[in-house]
Amino acid sequence: QITLKESGPTLVKPTQTLTLTCTFSGFSLSTNGVGVGWIRQPPGKALEWLALIYWDDGKRYSPSLQSRLTITKDTSKNQVVLTMTNMDPVDTATYYCAHKGPGFYDPFDIWGQGTMVTVSS
Amino acid sequence: DIQVTQSPSSLSASVGDRVTITCRASQSISSYLNWYQQKPGKAPKLLIYAASSLQSGVPSRFTGSGSGTDFTLTISSLQPEDFATYYCQQSYSSWTFGQGTKVEIK
Repeated sequence: QITLKESGPTLVKPTQTLTLTCTFSGFSLSTNGVGVGWIRQPPGKALEWLALIYWDDGKRYSPSLQSRLTITKDTSKNQVVLTMTNMDPVDTATYYCAHKGPGFYDPFDIWGQGTMVTVSS
Repeated sequence: DIQVTQSPSSLSASVGDRVTITCRASQSISSYLNWYQQKPGKAPKLLIYAASSLQSGVPSRFTGSGSGTDFTLTISSLQPEDFATYYCQQSYSSWTFGQGTKVEIK
């Protein structure tokens, strides 16, 4: 059974850097084709894909946020970390991590519960 | 970037109604279109992948169709537990979500 859980601060100040951790179980991020992505959702708004890291350490970023994002993995700990710099109140959102299957075009089939992050001074 | 546009943004329907939601991509994405259901305060749940494949455990009243740029999610007979927001997502080139369709009780 695949599970994912996000953790990190609930409140950050403007200009600070946000660091979120996704801890997962039930799969290995060294399996060919598998990935873990991050998606966010501002209150009352739509989902927005942010970043994804592949089993082979390949990385993809949203073009609109690429300059602010870094995604890394620790395979031994079953964790994926997302950092977002220069946080702004518009970044207030629920942040989800999700499992992407081994097929190149596979969807995000299993999601974490999400963690709400508020950006405010 | 590939954009995906959903319509309508919201709809009101009754239990038992047939409901159709459409999604249009800004360029051809073959069949790499997925549908998710999200209920308030919960994470999205995958319903349909690759345009028409039903995710395990999802009721058969949910069907997906389409290819290229135009796609459809149909709920054949709306049930009380189906009132939620639905999102399409393309996975052909990175990942992009539609704006969502909120299905409300009439």
